[in-house]
Amino acid sequence: DADVTQTPRNRITKTGKRIMLECSQTKGHDRMYWYRQDPGLGLRLIYYSFDVKDINKGEISDGYSVSRQAQAKFSLSLESAIPNQTALYFCATSADSSYEQYFGPGTRLTVT
Amino acid sequence: GNSVTQMEGPVTLSEEAFLTINCTYTATGYPSLFWYVQYPGEGLQLLLKATKADDKGSNKGFEATYRKETTSFHLEKGSVQVSDSAVYFCALNPFSGSARQLTFGSGTQLTVLP
Repeated sequence: DADVTQTPRNRITKTGKRIMLECSQTKGHDRMYWYRQDPGLGLRLIYYSFDVKDINKGEISDGYSVSRQAQAKFSLSLESAIPNQTALYFCATSADSSYEQYFGPGTRLTVT
Repeated sequence: GNSVTQMEGPVTLSEEAFLTINCTYTATGYPSLFWYVQYPGEGLQLLLKATKADDKGSNKGFEATYRKETTSFHLEKGSVQVSDSAVYFCALNPFSGSARQLTFGSGTQLTVLP
């Protein structure tokens, strides 16, 4: 089984709808991250969390919110989706003392 | 601020050709540098890293040397294979110590033809 899982893998939704993307991990890591990937722009950090009680905004947090329900779960919400939020979204985790981030397989979101 | 600039793709090579993907960075202090690889339909995986100047990271035949004087971390492989076809991302961690906010380059698509 994959260490970092994301659901759903693909989602098409309409402008104005509320969407939640979920991330679960079995690696036992405290640190979790949400990124979005756009062609030609690489990955940009949306939010990150260093433990259940710690949530921090990243580079592009406007229009997004997150919830850290448990050490293993970190959800990303789009309260009112808009077309320019169409992108590939990745969740990642890392251990406190490690340089390496472990990525999930991604969620492809299309907002029409 | 911190930034990473990568050579634009796509890059298309024949099998067994030599690969170089250029990466330069801007950062205050002494960042750690990384190359991540994204195979089709998958998330990113760490390929190699270097944490201080003159360090050479290596893995799976790929190498990159942390050059502080030229602020570069170019990825090289002497003989590419079809299975190396992927998107490659250069990234930096501006803090010494464990991974916090990674700053990524825009990615370079590599296609290797048989």
